[in-house]
Amino acid sequence: SQKIEQNSEALNIQEGKTATLTCNYTNYSPAYLQWYRQDPGRGPVFLLLIRENEKEKRKERLKVTFDTTLKQSLFHITASQPADSATYLCALVPTRSGGYNKLIFGAGTRLAVHP
Amino acid sequence: NAGVTQTPKFQVLKTGQSMTLQCAQDMNHNSMYWYRQDPGMGLRLIYYSASEGTTDKGEVPNGYNVSRLNKREFSLRLESAAPSQTSVYFCASSEGGLAYEQYFGPGTRLTVT
Repeated sequence: SQKIEQNSEALNIQEGKTATLTCNYTNYSPAYLQWYRQDPGRGPVFLLLIRENEKEKRKERLKVTFDTTLKQSLFHITASQPADSATYLCALVPTRSGGYNKLIFGAGTRLAVHP
Repeated sequence: NAGVTQTPKFQVLKTGQSMTLQCAQDMNHNSMYWYRQDPGMGLRLIYYSASEGTTDKGEVPNGYNVSRLNKREFSLRLESAAPSQTSVYFCASSEGGLAYEQYFGPGTRLTVT
């Protein structure tokens, strides 16, 4: 069956360290993979998009990698801050989704950055 | 720009009651979506509208209907609410196409007793 999996356990790290979140998928051949941030009681907010032919994408302190052989994406936050504490969702666009933006979401990983 | 707005923010229904969740976007986006989010699960697509005048079922459409009223507005209707529909509902929009990010509204927290 098709699955997209993120670590359900919260990730606790110390301020200033690099946080690394994992997104694994099975039985998909995604054209794109996106990462969103969600704060409690709010809607998700888009962070980064990476295409199947890209290995890595960066935006300020954020970096996403996409390994189609391992069927995995890693999301890194460098020099993490308490304000980075949130739930991070990965979402993929299956290769054949009719030409519109139909996303399949993982359940998310909660990140807690401690001072 | 307000982005994506949703009303109401909270709602409590009794089993069997009906209601409509409203969503509007002011970004001139072509595509709009309704998701539900349950604890421990990812956002699941209920219905989407790839463009004005079209709607299609997503992963979990049973018990719901939608209307794409115009380019700005996309409503979700529960005809006969059931406790299994207790959830947080999010509306989203995007320019359309595979490469575009989605913009989400603040959500509606619905409880069916």
